[in-house]
Amino acid sequence: ETGVTQTPRHLVMGMTNKKSLKCEQHLGHNAMYWYKQSAKKPLELMFVYSLEERVENNSVPSRFSPECPNSSHLFLHLHTLQPEDSALYLCASSPDRRGPSGANVLTFGAGSRLTVL
Amino acid sequence: KQEVTQIPAALSVPEGENLVLNCSFTDSAIYNLQWFRQDPGKGLTSLLLIQSSQREQTSGRLNASLDKSSGRSTLYIAASQPGDSATYLCAVRPDTGNQFYFGTGTSLTVIP
Repeated sequence: ETGVTQTPRHLVMGMTNKKSLKCEQHLGHNAMYWYKQSAKKPLELMFVYSLEERVENNSVPSRFSPECPNSSHLFLHLHTLQPEDSALYLCASSPDRRGPSGANVLTFGAGSRLTVL
Repeated sequence: KQEVTQIPAALSVPEGENLVLNCSFTDSAIYNLQWFRQDPGKGLTSLLLIQSSQREQTSGRLNASLDKSSGRSTLYIAASQPGDSATYLCAVRPDTGNQFYFGTGTSLTVIP
């Protein structure tokens, strides 16, 4: 496989469930991201993982928990979510600044559509 | 904090027209700027990347320009087609860190 792969593509869960979203990139990138996209709102950065830094958006609730075991895999663990957490969750990856400048492209997966009942 | 604005929010044009989408940003200390396309319910597809030292990039019917000092970028689409209908987003990568800041997008409809 090539590019950025997200699974599952669709997820429906109850408020008491625990589930995880998975992201895998085959681009040799070393920075990975989780974004949340809700209707009529800008893309919201949730987390960044790279060799240089880990960034967390302080407004993201603790019911979202990221895990990055290596530079190719990124997870978003979900527990006791709320209906307002229903959104499209997008994973992305990019090279860090040490790579050739022409290759500094942010590449997205197809997204995981989450519905919380 | 970098803020990115895209105008207009929505645009509807007849097929064949040339059009310009605008992106402005508040902090000129950027590393690069990227234009994306998003179809409904899908992920983002990269269209063009402009490094901070560049003035423009072209790919087929698309041309993106960058004026870093004035905090502006434009995406020019020539001879628009119905298949160009989508939401177009711009994203700015600052000089430091690995974050990208996105605008809210322009929703484009090309009418056959």
